[in-house]
Amino acid sequence: GEDVEQSLFLSVREGDSSVINCTYTDSSSTYLYWYKQEPGAGLQLLTYIFSNMDMKQDQRLTVLLNKKDKHLSLRIADTQTGDSAIYFCAEILPSPAGRRALTFGSGTRLQVQP
Amino acid sequence: GAVVSQHPSWVICKSGTSVKIECRSLDFQATTMFWYRQFPKQSLMLMATSNEGSKATYEQGVEKDKFLINHASLTLSTLTVTSAHPEDSSFYICSARSGGAYNEQFFGPGTRLTVL
Repeated sequence: GEDVEQSLFLSVREGDSSVINCTYTDSSSTYLYWYKQEPGAGLQLLTYIFSNMDMKQDQRLTVLLNKKDKHLSLRIADTQTGDSAIYFCAEILPSPAGRRALTFGSGTRLQVQP
Repeated sequence: GAVVSQHPSWVICKSGTSVKIECRSLDFQATTMFWYRQFPKQSLMLMATSNEGSKATYEQGVEKDKFLINHASLTLSTLTVTSAHPEDSSFYICSARSGGAYNEQFFGPGTRLTVL
C-alpha cells in the first residue's frame, strides 16, 4: 500500500532556508507534488516532479527526489513570513481503476519567525 | 491556472438535516473531480472520485448512501451530506483534474461544515 510521511512542524527565521522532507513507500509513483495550504483555505500547487527526475528548481523552490530512498524534499530559499503555512507532499499512483487520485502526506506546518 | 470554486464556503446546520456542497470548474472541463475530507490539523483523505455521467467511486469506509455525489456536467459536481450528524463536521475540499500533461489537480477553497 501507499504511505506518505512528513515531519509535523518546522520553525525557521525569516531569510533562512527551509527544508521540508517527505518519505513514501510505493516506488511506482509517477508524479510527486508539493502543495501549500494556508489557514482555512484550499490547496495551492507549488511544484511537481516527475519520477524520472532528480531535481527541479523553480525560483525559490527546489525539489529533490531520491528514488532509491523514496525521499522527497522541498527547499524554500530566503523564507518569508508569507511562506508560513502547511505543506503537503502528495503522490499519484497508477491504479487498475485509473482513478489517479492524490495520496497526501500528513502535512508539515512551517512557521516563519520574523 | 485553472480555477475551482466551492459553494458554500461554510455552513452550519442542525443534526438530521442534509447539506449540499457544489464544486465547479470555472474555466475548464473536468471529467474527473475528487472529494476530500480534512479534519483539524490532519491531512486530506480521499472520500470519492466523481466521473461525469457515471456513478462515483467511493473509498473504503465512506458510506455512499450518506455522502451522495452527483457529477451531472463537465463543470459541476455536488456532494450531499444526508442526515448530517456532529461527527460529519469537517472541512470538505473538492478538486478537479485538468487532464494536462502532469495530471495536475486544481483544488477548491473548501467548505467548512459544522453540524450542531
